[in-house]
Amino acid sequence: KQEVTQIPAALSVPEGENLVLNCSFTDSAIYNLQWFRQDPGKGLTSLLLIQSSQREQTSGRLNASLDKSSGRSTLYIAASQPGDSATYLCAAAPLSSGSARQLTFGSGTQLTVLP
Amino acid sequence: EAQVTQNPRYLITVTGKKLTVTCSQNMNHEYMSWYRQDPGLGLRQIYYSMNVEVTDKGDVPEGYKVSRKEKRNFPLILESPSPNQTSLYFCASSSGLAGGPRSWTQYFGPGTRLLVL
Repeated sequence: KQEVTQIPAALSVPEGENLVLNCSFTDSAIYNLQWFRQDPGKGLTSLLLIQSSQREQTSGRLNASLDKSSGRSTLYIAASQPGDSATYLCAAAPLSSGSARQLTFGSGTQLTVLP
Repeated sequence: EAQVTQNPRYLITVTGKKLTVTCSQNMNHEYMSWYRQDPGLGLRQIYYSMNVEVTDKGDVPEGYKVSRKEKRNFPLILESPSPNQTSLYFCASSSGLAGGPRSWTQYFGPGTRLLVL
């Protein structure tokens, strides 16, 4: 059964820093790996989706990479801003689920960017 | 505006009193899903639906029921709530099964915070 782990659970950085959030998964047979952002009192917002055949995806200051052989994904945030403060969750869609929409989530990394 | 709505947003109830949390999406999505989120456990899937009248269990279905009579609505029913169902609940949807990777993106509702006393 797919397990997804995110370490650390919380991270504080000063504004302007480049940072990396980590995600590891136990089963490399996946349809895709997705990164979400969760703000307090709000639902999750999809940030990036990396298909199994891809190595990375980029959107603005965000870059997500996927290394299936090592069971790892990273989310790189460039030039962090206080508005980036949120909880970031990664989720993998294992082939064993039969659907690219069946996601197994990690517990998230709570990011605080200090002004 | 494309969105997933949930009602109520906050609910306090007592053990055994049946309740329904509604979920509605206006994007004509086939796929809908319910998750619960608990500290340290991440989001866990309760039930999902591939289309109207097609539902299936997720990882933690015990104590919950769902129905999918219309494409836009996917209510979550707790027939006899217990304190261990106190949690933050999210509904999500995504578009057609025939679509490519773009259709895999899931859209989430704002969440329903439930407290069962």
